[in-house]
Amino acid sequence: DSGVTQTPKHLITATGQRVTLRCSPRSGDLSVYWYQQSLDQGLQFLIQYYNGEERAKGNILERFSAQQFPDLHSELNLSSLELGDSALYFCASSPHGGGRAPRTDTQYFGPGTRLTVL
Amino acid sequence: AQSVSQHNHHVILSEAASLELGCNYSYGGTVNLFWYVQYPGQHLQLLLKYFSGDPLVKGIKGFEAEFIKSKFSFNLRKPSVQWSDTAEYFCAVTINNNAGNMLTFGGGTRLMVKP
Repeated sequence: DSGVTQTPKHLITATGQRVTLRCSPRSGDLSVYWYQQSLDQGLQFLIQYYNGEERAKGNILERFSAQQFPDLHSELNLSSLELGDSALYFCASSPHGGGRAPRTDTQYFGPGTRLTVL
Repeated sequence: AQSVSQHNHHVILSEAASLELGCNYSYGGTVNLFWYVQYPGQHLQLLLKYFSGDPLVKGIKGFEAEFIKSKFSFNLRKPSVQWSDTAEYFCAVTINNNAGNMLTFGGGTRLMVKP
C-alpha cells in the first residue's frame, strides 16, 4: 500500500458522458500527478499539480481537466467521453515536485481507476 | 524532450534463470532514473531509483540496476528469478528543470516466469 488512494476503482459509462476521478495523496505530499495507461499509448503523463497550482501539463486532451483542492486531494474531470478514453487512470504523489524539487523526489502510485466507455 | 526505450517487450524465463531488462533514455542533461513494477491487476510499485552516486543501485526483492552514463542506459538485473516476478516492468526518468517533475516511461517489458 503506497498511501495514495483513488476512487472509484472501476467506472463504466457511455460515450458523451462526464466523470470525475478522485485522488488523495500520501500524507505530507504536495504534488499530485495524473497518468493514463492504455494498450496503444502506454503510460502517459497528463498533468501535475503542486500545492494547489498547475505545475506541468502533458498529453492531456482539452476535454479533460483537473484541480487540486486546499486539502491537497485532486480530481480529474473527463467530459464528452469517447470510446478511446477507456483506460487505467493512475494518480501519483510526491513530497515536492515544485520548480526546485530535490533530486530525490519520488512518485508513489495509487491503485488506479479503470474507466470503460461503452 | 526526453524519451525512454525498453527494447524487450516480452521476456519468458524459467525459474532460477538470470534476468536483464534493457532501458535506454535520450536526454543530454542530468536525469533521475526509476524502475517500477506492475503485478497483474495491480498498481505501479517502485523497485529502485537512481539519483546520483554509486551507479549500481539495489532495490527491493533482489533487483538491482546499473547506470552507465556513457551508454545512456539503466538496465535492470536479477540473478535468479522466481515465478512471483511475473509482471510488467517499466523504466522511467525525470529531469531536473523548471517544467515540473513528470515521469517519462518506457513502453514496458512483460516478464513471464515459468515454474
